[in-house]
Amino acid sequence: GAGVSQSPRYKVAKRGQDVALRCDPISGHVSLFWYQQALGQGPEFLTYFQNEAQLDKSGLPSDRFFAERPEGSVSTLKIQRTQQEDSAVYLCASSLARGAVKAFFGQGTRLTVV
Amino acid sequence: DQQVKQNSPSLSVQEGRISILNCDYTNSMFDYFLWYKKYPAEGPTFLISISSIKDKNEDGRFTVFLNKSAKHLSLHIVPSQPGDSAVYFCAASAAEGGSEKLVFGKGTKLTVNP
Repeated sequence: GAGVSQSPRYKVAKRGQDVALRCDPISGHVSLFWYQQALGQGPEFLTYFQNEAQLDKSGLPSDRFFAERPEGSVSTLKIQRTQQEDSAVYLCASSLARGAVKAFFGQGTRLTVV
Repeated sequence: DQQVKQNSPSLSVQEGRISILNCDYTNSMFDYFLWYKKYPAEGPTFLISISSIKDKNEDGRFTVFLNKSAKHLSLHIVPSQPGDSAVYFCAASAAEGGSEKLVFGKGTKLTVNP
């Protein structure tokens, strides 16, 4: 596709429910990032993939958060047993080569936990 | 502890005048700096970047200045246009340190009045 595509755009989950957020990066992009953006804040790093390898998951806030990119293209961010503090916009970004510079962002998934 | 700080949450300027957005950082390992622009309900869009080996980078109406000794960078937009109204995020990367992530500030909301 022309850009980074994320789905769903909006997700409302009941507390305790599991959710899965999808990211389709730009075709051919090696690097893929997930960020979490709380209201009024800047994006905060969650995790980074280079192809299918998850090279950095230092930003994942708890073991309820899990990300995968099994074939080096599409990625899924899964949140288990969602809690209200998980409410945020989840942004996916991809870049052509190794590194975060000039990463292209998707529109994000707004997750609301009620 | 915020490593990238944008101390002005908002800025309002008149069309045709200069907009100056500021950003400070604390981590001396940062070696690449980027500005992103974000419209409501969209993902951040890359605007301009600068490597730590330079002190200025210009692209059309946008110029980024880096003062390494002061750990300060600024984005100048001249002349400002109403379409520039958006939230601007400063971000930094320490690629040489092995980390691929971007560290973002909280953003500055720019309003350009016609």
